[in-house]
Amino acid sequence: QKEVEQNSGPLSVPEGAIASLNCTYSDRGSQSFFWYRQYSGKSPELIMFIYSNGDKEDGRFTAQLNKASQYVSLLIRDSQPSDSATYLCAVYGNKLVFGAGTILRVKS
Amino acid sequence: KAGVTQTPRYLIKTRGQQVTLSCSPISGHRSVSWYQQTPGQGLQFLFEYFSETQRNKGNFPGRFSGRQFSNSRSEMNVSTLELGDSALYLCASSPSRGENTIYFGEGSWLTVV
Repeated sequence: QKEVEQNSGPLSVPEGAIASLNCTYSDRGSQSFFWYRQYSGKSPELIMFIYSNGDKEDGRFTAQLNKASQYVSLLIRDSQPSDSATYLCAVYGNKLVFGAGTILRVKS
Repeated sequence: KAGVTQTPRYLIKTRGQQVTLSCSPISGHRSVSWYQQTPGQGLQFLFEYFSETQRNKGNFPGRFSGRQFSNSRSEMNVSTLELGDSALYLCASSPSRGENTIYFGEGSWLTVV
């Protein structure tokens, strides 16, 4: 079992729709959870982090954490073509462990 | 506020050579970690430094090493380069260990021929 698992996609959504990205992790001792966006040929860009159960909102982005289910998600509202990228889920216990990423395509 | 700076951005090396990559963290950040990204393996943790001490190490051979200086700048070295070492090497910084703000530099693209 991989430490952090994501559906590789691609996930295709129309412009203006809600994109839902999911991630599960295996280490119950994990403390912090991150979502990064990575455009092709670029480095990862931090979108959000969350460390408490529940929802955390920042603009069009909402991160959701359920530690009991070892599940973290990212919702992108009003998706734009510029949101098309690979979204990386990362989990921090004593090191940052990344999932393989989900490719998101927003079609105009 | 300047971000994480990595040098060089691009480099080509020959098998058997060694390479040194440099990382200057965000001002005030004391924790620096390194990652290797390849299409096949994704982003993999190499090592983390805090206060000039290696705090954690990933599952890479001893050819991969690093260090951190008193000004928090860090270097990583790869000796006896292999073709499989071709990758994007990313440095990330955070104020201290376990912080929730971990930012990446633009990376160093290494090609081994």
